Amino acid sequence: RKEVEQDPGPFNVPEGATVAFNCTYSNSASQSFFWYRQDCRKEPKLLMSVYSSGNEDGRFTAQLNRASQYISLLIRDSKLSDSATYLCVVNIKANQAGTALIFGKGTTLSVSS
Amino acid sequence: SQTIHQWPATLVQPVGSPLSLECTVEGTSNPNLYWYRQAAGRGLQLLFYSVGIGQISSEVPQNLSASRPQDRQFILSSKKLLLSDSGFYLCAWSATAATNEKLFFGSGTQLSVL
Repeated sequence: RKEVEQDPGPFNVPEGATVAFNCTYSNSASQSFFWYRQDCRKEPKLLMSVYSSGNEDGRFTAQLNRASQYISLLIRDSKLSDSATYLCVVNIKANQAGTALIFGKGTTLSVSS
Repeated sequence: SQTIHQWPATLVQPVGSPLSLECTVEGTSNPNLYWYRQAAGRGLQLLFYSVGIGQISSEVPQNLSASRPQDRQFILSSKKLLLSDSGFYLCAWSATAATNEKLFFGSGTQLSVL
């Protein structure tokens, strides 16, 4: 089983739609979780952290299910500018050598007018 | 505020030639530094990370090496490039070794080995 798995998509949705992405991780000792956004040929940028109780940032809601080892990202009222690749990121090391984040391959979202 | 600079943005190199990519961070001290590679259609792969000057950890055996000659400088090198070294190389930093620490990326270098 791969360490971090995501449906690659693409997800093609109209403006205003609600879309959800899921991600599964294999290491039950993982301690921190994030969603990053990456535009084509650009660097990934942090979208939001994912907390155990779930968290919301505007139109974006992230949830974590430790028992099932999956993370989700919900985007409401999709905008054209939301078109990007969304990377699920999981920390699988916690030692003095530093944080080693493992990235999923990403889910591509395309929002059309 | 903290900034990270990575250059060059694009690079085309022949097989067998050397490589040197440089990354610098400003506005912070003793950052953790990382080199990632993203091959076409694949996820980000951690290549090297460093928690201090001269301290380099390698995640995968490969044709590349890394060095940290100064606190906020991280260099990725190769003596002889292979075709398989093509990809999008990203430098990143984080403030501490905490498990919930976020990564901030440089703008990346698109390397094409021909």
